[in-house]
Amino acid sequence: QQQVKQSPQSLIVQKGGISIINCAYENTAFDYFPWYQQFPGKGPALLIAIRPDVSEKKEGRFTISFNKSAKQFSLHIMDSQPGDSATYFCAASLNSNSGYALNFGKGTSLLVTP
Amino acid sequence: EPEVTQTPSHQVTQMGQEVILRCVPISNHLYFYWYRQILGQKVEFLVSFYNNEISEKSEIFDDQFSVERPDGSNFTLKIRSTKLEDSAMYFCASTSGFMNTEAFFGQGTRLTVV
Repeated sequence: QQQVKQSPQSLIVQKGGISIINCAYENTAFDYFPWYQQFPGKGPALLIAIRPDVSEKKEGRFTISFNKSAKQFSLHIMDSQPGDSATYFCAASLNSNSGYALNFGKGTSLLVTP
Repeated sequence: EPEVTQTPSHQVTQMGQEVILRCVPISNHLYFYWYRQILGQKVEFLVSFYNNEISEKSEIFDDQFSVERPDGSNFTLKIRSTKLEDSAMYFCASTSGFMNTEAFFGQGTRLTVV
């Protein structure tokens, strides 16, 4: 069962454009939704995260939009730059005493062209 | 900046051999995790570890896998009898604890089983 579905699989955006990546989740008990950025040969690094009590969170050029009723959330990268070219993973987890195991989407390979 | 460190960066082993992957989580963190990423696929949760015991594990984490915190700093993943399909990038991660769910990932160990 794929708990977090991510689209598109790949994305090409021109420099200065807006990159949009979408995710949908199934488990309504999830209460933490991070986005991770991964460069080749590196581990995933937290980019931005949101909890379901807010509908939007913005940090610099990165914005998460969250729709609890639709069980969807998305990442918007404004003014995309070539340095943003990486793989982006959405994830979801439960807040529990056993830890915060992340359920990842399949990833989106973003290429920002000059 | 604190970081999670993993060794070795690349391990080649013959099928059927035992391997131990090592991680040093961030020093004041309480939860530790292993994830794996088969080439080109999503990051998958294997196991979480808290208070010197496994707190959660996935279906992937079968009897051939084990984890240990042999001292106050290291966190290891042992694969007893490696199979070709164990070839993947293995990531260690840690989180500080309750209410702070940001997971910090190491750079990974690429395991190649031949």
